[in-house]
Amino acid sequence: SAVISQKPSRDICQRGTSLTIQCQVDSQVTMMFWYRQQPGQSLTLIATANQGSEATYESGFVIDKFPISRPNLTFSTLTVSNMSPEDSSIYLCSVDGLAGSPEVEQFFGPGTRLTVL
Amino acid sequence: GQNIDQPTEMTATEGAIVQINCTYQTSGFNGLFWYQQHAGEAPTFLSYNVLDGLEEKGRFSSFLSRSKGYSYLLLKELQMKDSASYLCAVKGGNTPLVFGKGTRLSVIA
Repeated sequence: SAVISQKPSRDICQRGTSLTIQCQVDSQVTMMFWYRQQPGQSLTLIATANQGSEATYESGFVIDKFPISRPNLTFSTLTVSNMSPEDSSIYLCSVDGLAGSPEVEQFFGPGTRLTVL
Repeated sequence: GQNIDQPTEMTATEGAIVQINCTYQTSGFNGLFWYQQHAGEAPTFLSYNVLDGLEEKGRFSSFLSRSKGYSYLLLKELQMKDSASYLCAVKGGNTPLVFGKGTRLSVIA
């Protein structure tokens, strides 16, 4: 399995500001994803973080609002830009394709709980 | 596109058996997953089915019928700690997991 850490674990931010969330994995992985989970809801995929190229965004999510970086096989960042209260959510990093592992599951980080005032 | 349906809430008694159903429509199919999520925590993997049939893992079993686009998660000998949300998710082709809305299970004494 993979151990995934996220920073920060939680934050309270003012409207109009931006927050960058970091995701660190303890082993090299092929795929890294970012999900959002709004209060009482299930997980919605924001984008796939691609190493060395632009992220692949799902319908309803755009790069200007959620810029993503993936400089190597173990690290990614998600920025929530120009925040509004509607962005209050839990943001989860997820990975699969562990190098040398036959495991098929996607693993999830502990999440970053964001509150926008 | 992908569409995944599961009941919103279920209640069951401690020691009983509960079955949580999931139906899906996807373009491409590379496996169906069940995750458990306790409030305030990240989802944790429970089971994976890619072929038709039943996969058993302790108190939990998961069933898949690809022709019917149907799966269920069976929980036996329910314990209070099984109170959680259960998320059905489908992997289509080379795409990441897409989740259903989740089923909130309450186990009562």
